[in-house]
Amino acid sequence: KAGVTQTPRYLIKTRGQQVTLSCSPISGHRSVSWYQQTPGQGLQFLFEYFSETQRNKGNFPGRFSGRQFSNSRSEMNVSTLELGDSALYLCASSLDGNSRAGELFFGEGSRLTVL
Amino acid sequence: AQTVTQSQPEMSVQEAETVTLSCTYDTSESDYYLFWYKQPPSRQMILVIRQEAYKQQNATENRFSVNFQKAAKSFSLKISDSQLGDAAMYFCAYRSAYPGNTPLVFGKGTRLSVIA
Repeated sequence: KAGVTQTPRYLIKTRGQQVTLSCSPISGHRSVSWYQQTPGQGLQFLFEYFSETQRNKGNFPGRFSGRQFSNSRSEMNVSTLELGDSALYLCASSLDGNSRAGELFFGEGSRLTVL
Repeated sequence: AQTVTQSQPEMSVQEAETVTLSCTYDTSESDYYLFWYKQPPSRQMILVIRQEAYKQQNATENRFSVNFQKAAKSFSLKISDSQLGDAAMYFCAYRSAYPGNTPLVFGKGTRLSVIA
């Protein structure tokens, strides 16, 4: 069974640009969550999607957005990039996102560098 | 809001020895899950071990075990017979068990080095 796949793995952008990251969950998983990982702030929750609906959202500005498609693949977009957006963006999938299930499966991440 | 604290930014252990990573958390909830995740360099984060708060018995997965002290809100990870492949960042995480999806709340991590 293929794991969580994130593309691209690495990318470099300049301030003011926008970026779109993609995540393909494990087959059969319907919940996709996104986390931002930085050395200073650690891992912070961005948002979670289930059946194409955003169910939960972290404390990030509106420049960060996402969506989920009918095949459960998800994308996140960051507009008007700032230097502080440089981070590893992790996607995690689970069967239905229910806390009782507990386990999230993570992808290898997309490393974004903003110059 | 829940918080997770890992007070040891870095730890090292000799190969074949035992090491304990510390984690404390703060919550007003009574039902929740605790996790230890391992993130090797440039590789994906994987679940090491999971503890359900309503279970008093400490979880064990092969060489990995936890010491869960609910009253003290402490959740340490013990790695026995350390191997070179154990070198990684280790994150302690909390997740509410209340209905609906709730996100993981992570600690800042502990970087574990294994010395041959």
